[in-house]
Amino acid sequence: SAVISQKPSRDICQRGTSLTIQCQVDSQVTMMFWYRQQPGQSLTLIATANQGSEATYESGFVIDKFPISRPNLTFSTLTVSNMSPEDSSIYLCSVGDRSYNEQFFGPGTRLTVL
Amino acid sequence: AQKVTQAQTEISVVEKEDVTLDCVYETRDTTYYLFWYKQPPSGELVFLIRRNSFDEQNEISGRYSWNFQKSTSSFNFTITASQVVDSAVYFCALSEAYNQGGKLIFGQGTELPVKP
Repeated sequence: SAVISQKPSRDICQRGTSLTIQCQVDSQVTMMFWYRQQPGQSLTLIATANQGSEATYESGFVIDKFPISRPNLTFSTLTVSNMSPEDSSIYLCSVGDRSYNEQFFGPGTRLTVL
Repeated sequence: AQKVTQAQTEISVVEKEDVTLDCVYETRDTTYYLFWYKQPPSGELVFLIRRNSFDEQNEISGRYSWNFQKSTSSFNFTITASQVVDSAVYFCALSEAYNQGGKLIFGQGTELPVKP
């Protein structure tokens, strides 16, 4: 299985600011995804990070609010822009292999917006 | 539409009891994958099992076992002789594989506190 790291592990931010979360994988992977887990809730897919092209966003999520980059097959960033308290969540990066349909998750970034 | 339902929001058990977590899914695809993940209080998501739609054999791994029944669209998870370390939130998830790029649709999760 791939080893996935995320930075930062947690942060407390002020309303109106932006935070960029990094996801690093120890091997090249086909698929990378970003999920959000609001307090006490399940996981919801934000977008699929596509290498070398624009991310594919799920319904309810837009690029202006959650810009994503994926410059290569081992790294991606998610930015949470113009934050509000409703953005307080755990943000998780996951990686998948299309051939085997396995998905593994990073440790998550716990974000609190005041 | 794809959907995963975990009707049990919370199940409380005492150590050494057996417990079954229910998962019911909906999909129109004939090829799909089902997953179970464990999320302990520390927050990380731990992969437990993946099952494809063509393999209905039940699986056992130590104290964990899974019962996949396509006829009822269910993929239930049983913990035998539960332990305090099993305390976590458990998520069932569905992937419609290639057409959807492998993205996961999660159920709402079942919280399982195991009391000593």
